[in-house]
Amino acid sequence: GAGVSQSPSNKVTEKGKDVELRCDPISGHTALYWYRQRLGQGLEFLIYFQGNSAPDKSGLPSDRFSAERTGESVSTLTIQRTQQEDSAVYLCASSLSGGIYEQYFGPGTRLTVT
Amino acid sequence: SQELEQSPQSLIVQEGKNLTINCTSSKTLYGLYWYKQKYGEGLIFLMMLQKGGEEKSHEKITAKLDEKKQQSSLHITASQPSHAGIYLCGAVDPRFGAGTRLTVKP
Repeated sequence: GAGVSQSPSNKVTEKGKDVELRCDPISGHTALYWYRQRLGQGLEFLIYFQGNSAPDKSGLPSDRFSAERTGESVSTLTIQRTQQEDSAVYLCASSLSGGIYEQYFGPGTRLTVT
Repeated sequence: SQELEQSPQSLIVQEGKNLTINCTSSKTLYGLYWYKQKYGEGLIFLMMLQKGGEEKSHEKITAKLDEKKQQSSLHITASQPSHAGIYLCGAVDPRFGAGTRLTVKP
């Protein structure tokens, strides 16, 4: 079956522009996570969706960041007024449910803000 | 949330040597994942631990979760160049450690 897919794979944008990153989770996975990974660093949790529950937004670094999820399918991470420090790889993961289930990661979107 | 501290941050070993990577939590872990990430590639799931004292092995990699469920270790026996990469521990709440960069010299 298909794994987690993300698009675009690479995005170059100018400072101040808005960007949208897309994640298609594995079908049937109710949990979806967004992470940010800066060059040479670990994963920084951003936001977590679980079914119809209110998302856990505790990791979003500023109000320029937001994310939505349509039901238990695709999710979009939006970054408004991008800054150079937003440059990173944005990773999406899904799991069968929240809690103690393996997270399956997508290939990531590499965002470069010039 | 709970912070996860990984040590060391980076590790360089000679091929054939054993090594250990540690992951420490400030709070009780209700589940811990270990992932491996190779440069330019995605994350590969290695193991998941849930119970205090649990130990799992896959090929030459063994992971343990201590009885108090606040510390986990990942041990690689007879390291090979193919083991090189970044090892990440993650909790189920979810949080990840900063990673340990492993280099194995042939």
